Amino acid sequence: SQQGEEDPQALSIQEGENATMNCSYKTSINNLQWYRQNSGRGLVHLILIRSNEREKHSGRLRVTLDTSKKSSSLLITASRAADTASYFCATAQGGSEKLVFGKGTKLTVNP
Amino acid sequence: AAGVIQSPRHLIKEKRETATLKCYPIPRHDTVYWYQQGPGQDPQFLISFYEKMQSDKGSIPDRFSAQQFSDYHSELNMSSLELGDSALYFCASSLGQGWDLGTDTQYFGPGTRLTVL
Repeated sequence: SQQGEEDPQALSIQEGENATMNCSYKTSINNLQWYRQNSGRGLVHLILIRSNEREKHSGRLRVTLDTSKKSSSLLITASRAADTASYFCATAQGGSEKLVFGKGTKLTVNP
Repeated sequence: AAGVIQSPRHLIKEKRETATLKCYPIPRHDTVYWYQQGPGQDPQFLISFYEKMQSDKGSIPDRFSAQQFSDYHSELNMSSLELGDSALYFCASSLGQGWDLGTDTQYFGPGTRLTVL
């Protein structure tokens, strides 16, 4: 199965609401990173959480990591229309720095 | 702050032609990664270089080759192009300190959109 499966595949919310996206992975990891991508554009790094960390905040972003369940979640609080994008989780696995991406969650924030 | 630069941003080629994509990493970053993202797909790792040596290899076709130069920029050479090579090609860089760390943030460039007709 694919490393870094994301859930849900698509999410549509109203401006001001919170958006939660989940990511599961299968092998042990060194770190997990979340990226954002506007349609057909570059990947923007949002946040990196290391395997020995459980939670991390950056502005309106909150990321959690549960290595026992091999899962992570990305919470965007007080969403804005400009948050509309695809969000990918990516894992770096032991012995390698290459990133393995999930399928992504397409978030739509309606004004 | 300086970001990863990729050129060209758009490239149109015919089948069986060759293409060269260039990547200029963030200053002082010594590790470069190449990823391919097909339409509606997630990015797939192709190859990476650390200190001008190949450090990891993914699902890169034999028709593709890459290298990192003394100034740390990297080039991805693609020959005998096929329709299926049409994709966004991303380069990322990090301040890697060796294969056994794997903990450094990768910063992505804007990508090169390759269209093969």
